[in-house]
Amino acid sequence: EAGVVQSPRYKIIEKKQPVAFWCNPISGHNTLYWYRQNLGQGPELLIRYENEEAVDDSQLPKDRFSAERLKGVDSTLKIQPAELGDSAVYLCASSLPSGGAYEQYFGPGTRLTVT
Amino acid sequence: KQEVTQIPAALSVPEGENLVLNCSFTDSAIYNLQWFRQDPGKGLTSLLLIQSSQREQTSGRLNASLDKSSGRSTLYIAASQPGDSATYLCAVIQGGSEKLVFGKGTKLTVNP
Repeated sequence: EAGVVQSPRYKIIEKKQPVAFWCNPISGHNTLYWYRQNLGQGPELLIRYENEEAVDDSQLPKDRFSAERLKGVDSTLKIQPAELGDSAVYLCASSLPSGGAYEQYFGPGTRLTVT
Repeated sequence: KQEVTQIPAALSVPEGENLVLNCSFTDSAIYNLQWFRQDPGKGLTSLLLIQSSQREQTSGRLNASLDKSSGRSTLYIAASQPGDSATYLCAVIQGGSEKLVFGKGTKLTVNP
């Protein structure tokens, strides 16, 4: 069974530039999460989708971040414009619809460096 | 607000030693607790998930326990190997939420 796929793995951009990250969850997993992990910290949730609906985006900085999950499968997270403080690893995870009962499976992440 | 703490932040042991990693959380109203492993530059690998009604879970040389009332979990690694070297993260899901709240992790080094 294929795991969560993310691309690109690494991205270096200058501040004020836009950037986008892509995620393909495990087949059959209706719930998709985007987390951000700063150096030396645990991941923090940015947004959670149930199918194509964003059900928890309370931690997403909506002035510069946006996300979409068309057709309830793949998802894209965008930052525009990027700031130096956005340098982090962006992790995508997926799980069965659960109410929290099922394990979340993580992709390899995209390491973003903003210069 | 749920806070998760992991002690120690770093641990170095000789190969073959048994060891315990600790995790504590401030709000005991959790739905489940999950232990992850993270290798440098990689994503998170799920090791064990303990439901709030369970006391422990085992997988191979790993055993995780949960004491919800005291807000504590431990990850026991038996007969450690150099390949166990990684950062171990503990995370909880609050009742009524599907958001994982993570600790900062314990960086484990197992020396040959």
